[in-house]
Amino acid sequence: AQSVAQPEDQVNVAEGNPLTVKCTYSVSGNPYLFWYVQYPNRGLQFLLKYITGDNLVKGSYGFEAEFNKSQTSFHLKKPSALVSDSALYFCAVRIRSGGYQKVTFGTGTKLQVIP
Amino acid sequence: NAGVTQTPKFRILKIGQSMTLQCTQDMNHNYMYWYRQDPGMGLKLIYYSVGAGITDKGEVPNGYNVSRSTTEDFPLRLELAAPSQTSVYFCASTPGQAQETQYFGPGTRLLVL
Repeated sequence: AQSVAQPEDQVNVAEGNPLTVKCTYSVSGNPYLFWYVQYPNRGLQFLLKYITGDNLVKGSYGFEAEFNKSQTSFHLKKPSALVSDSALYFCAVRIRSGGYQKVTFGTGTKLQVIP
Repeated sequence: NAGVTQTPKFRILKIGQSMTLQCTQDMNHNYMYWYRQDPGMGLKLIYYSVGAGITDKGEVPNGYNVSRSTTEDFPLRLELAAPSQTSVYFCASTPGQAQETQYFGPGTRLLVL
């Protein structure tokens, strides 16, 4: 069975400071890893994904994530946080299960950027 | 492209009532999904479809039904609403491959009283 863990329900960071939102995964096989962001009263929006190749993935709005196979992690990072980054962030993993590409989402981490 | 659209945005139901949540995508995606989002629980897959005429159960299908008569539309039906179905419902779609991203609709907030 595949699973995704986001160990922090909430992360608080001061504006201008670097931020990290953690994600670890458990799959049998090669994972496809995703980060999505959800703003209040909105659907999820794609941020970035790891498919293969370079372990450092760059995405939208200045975010990046590093795939670490040995630690089975895919942490989301940004060098300098903005107040507008405050939102709910979801990590997701996807592998093929039979004929269907099952996707599993984490429980989400609320990011609060303090002015 | 409008992307994925959902109606209604918000609905209050009485216990035992029925309703259909509408979902339409204009991207010609093969795969469509229905999720429910409960606080602190992430997203749970209710049903999914790999193409017109083909649907299958996800993790939490009880109390729901779906149909996929066209590529564009994937309605979710609640036959006998229960308070446990109070949630925010999201529809999503992908072209079909595992490495492709999901496109989400804006959601439908449902309250069952």
